[in-house]
Amino acid sequence: DAGITQSPRYKITETGRQVTLMCHQTWSHSYMFWYRQDLGHGLRLIYYSAAADITDKGEVPDGYVVSRSKTENFPLTLESATRSQTSVYFCASRGNTGELFFGEGSRLTVL
Amino acid sequence: AQTVTQSQPEMSVQEAETVTLSCTYDTSESDYYLFWYKQPPSRQMILVIRQEAYKQQNATENRFSVNFQKAAKSFSLKISDSQLGDAAMYFCAYRGMYSGGGADGLTFGKGTHLIIQP
Repeated sequence: DAGITQSPRYKITETGRQVTLMCHQTWSHSYMFWYRQDLGHGLRLIYYSAAADITDKGEVPDGYVVSRSKTENFPLTLESATRSQTSVYFCASRGNTGELFFGEGSRLTVL
Repeated sequence: AQTVTQSQPEMSVQEAETVTLSCTYDTSESDYYLFWYKQPPSRQMILVIRQEAYKQQNATENRFSVNFQKAAKSFSLKISDSQLGDAAMYFCAYRGMYSGGGADGLTFGKGTHLIIQP
């Protein structure tokens, strides 16, 4: 089925470990985004990508790394996880009429 | 920078009644998009309705409609004949049409938790 999928849906890790959240979309949308959702903050943009090999920082990029070697994939890596990165992470792609289509979210807990 | 404000952290409505969720935004741009997203307990973000700023007519989608007041920078969502399945967090979001950069994503409000009383 066409859409946008994230994996894993749930992840528990320890402080200092590297974690990668995967995102895959089947629409061939150019723009893709990573948001984090925290109580009291709504959704905040971490990184975005305008096309393969083009990425840029959003509002809260510190501690995160992204890559986009193929249009359909946009992984998000926490190189050394911290407790403050405990959150729900959403990947999204932008459709032709401006709206974002979201994945189901990945809940990450850093102990 | 654009900001989106939802002043009602929580709203409650009786089933079958009408409820209006408020949203205001701050921007210096003249062309932009506005959206309402619904997030049920499943966590999935679902687009409810969108509005282009250049359109004077308010968008409607079945029981959902908006009151877009461009001069007041207000974008409220009206839900008619509320149903139990409408219970969710509702997020208002903004995107400038020509902003570029990170604004190619959406700027979100902090959300309104809508409770439907049976």
